[in-house]
Amino acid sequence: AQTVTQSQPEMSVQEAETVTLSCTYDTSESDYYLFWYKQPPSRQMILVIRQEAYKQQNATENRFSVNFQKAAKSFSLKISDSQLGDAAMYFCAYRSAGNDMRFGAGTRLTVKP
Amino acid sequence: SAVISQKPSRDICQRGTSLTIQCQVDSQVTMMFWYRQQPGQSLTLIATANQGSEATYESGFVIDKFPISRPNLTFSTLTVSNMSPEDSSIYLCSVSRDSNNQPQHFGDGTRLSIL
Repeated sequence: AQTVTQSQPEMSVQEAETVTLSCTYDTSESDYYLFWYKQPPSRQMILVIRQEAYKQQNATENRFSVNFQKAAKSFSLKISDSQLGDAAMYFCAYRSAGNDMRFGAGTRLTVKP
Repeated sequence: SAVISQKPSRDICQRGTSLTIQCQVDSQVTMMFWYRQQPGQSLTLIATANQGSEATYESGFVIDKFPISRPNLTFSTLTVSNMSPEDSSIYLCSVSRDSNNQPQHFGDGTRLSIL
């Protein structure tokens, strides 16, 4: 069974600084997809970024980027120039073809002004 | 991305009653899922809603407690039956256009409290 581990229950960053959220996963599949979701207090799950496992290039979406290390089964999220609106729960998620998404336990990010 | 409407957004229910949550999507989607998120925790998959057939339930979830319908490719319901305080949670509908690399999109969730 696939598992997703987020070892940081809480993280804090100063506004305008950079923070990295960690995620590791366990799978025997070769074809899969990884995602980061953001859940603010409004509870809506918002897709932040996604990465296809077959792509070596790390995905980037504006201030958000990932460090995908396939051999190490690691998928960290870097948030640059942190903003107050980035404060939320962040969930790492794994999905293999034909299956549903599996989520990590989440990391609560606090942004200090 | 798909626009997902989930109703009700919240409810307070009495012990022993049942509540049906609706999920409506603005376009046809291949896959629909129902998740539960207990306070301060991650998302746990309840079941995959299959169009025209019985839902596929995850371990620990049964049809008698969480009956699911999916009459077409844009609509699904989840019923929480014979509720107890342990069922107090957020219930989320999620959809995906296909079964491969498309991300899942989520409704705003239903916050359910059982007295």
